Amino acid sequence: EPEVTQTPSHQVTQMGQEVILRCVPISNHLYFYWYRQILGQKVEFLVSFYNNEISEKSEIFDDQFSVERPDGSNFTLKIRSTKLEDSAMYFCASSHNEQFFGPGTRLTVL
Amino acid sequence: AQRVTQPEKLLSVFKGAPVELKCNYSYSGSPELFWYVQYSRQRLQLLLRHISRESIKGFTADLNKGETSFHLKKPFAQEEDSAMYYCALSRHNQGGKLIFGQGTELSVKP
Repeated sequence: EPEVTQTPSHQVTQMGQEVILRCVPISNHLYFYWYRQILGQKVEFLVSFYNNEISEKSEIFDDQFSVERPDGSNFTLKIRSTKLEDSAMYFCASSHNEQFFGPGTRLTVL
Repeated sequence: AQRVTQPEKLLSVFKGAPVELKCNYSYSGSPELFWYVQYSRQRLQLLLRHISRESIKGFTADLNKGETSFHLKKPFAQEEDSAMYYCALSRHNQGGKLIFGQGTELSVKP
């Protein structure tokens, strides 16, 4: 059964550094999403992407964040200058009807 | 405001006992409601959605628009049901973001 994959599983970075989190959605899906979950808190929507553009974004998704689908298979989330409070699990999801989630990337900002 | 509330952080029951995980929502319009489950060390996966009206792994959930609730029930809990359960909502269209509750950890003791 096809699955959403994410790399890396764990990323440690210094505050102020740029990180790129990578996702490979399920191949025939048209909608892509990023969510995050800070430890002990709820899963929060960041951004959705359809037809090569952002379709919706949350207040969290400020100018420090960007998404890209560079090659028709990968879907990336870039954080330009990480802050301590960006430490969280980041989940990618894709959907046709139902949203399927990846295993997550744990981002630790020191 | 769009919100999902799961009042219990932890629910502990014995094997064979009935289970009810509570979920209330606030949404202007007619949302679609979901239950997602995350077993230990696994990804978030869809358990059931209100429009399908299915019973999955013995779980059912009925949408009560009057009480704005979507409680998850199972008459006889099994140890393998132990997991984190998240209630979520989205708008009815394809591609809608999911709004999650805080999650309830279900622990089924032998």
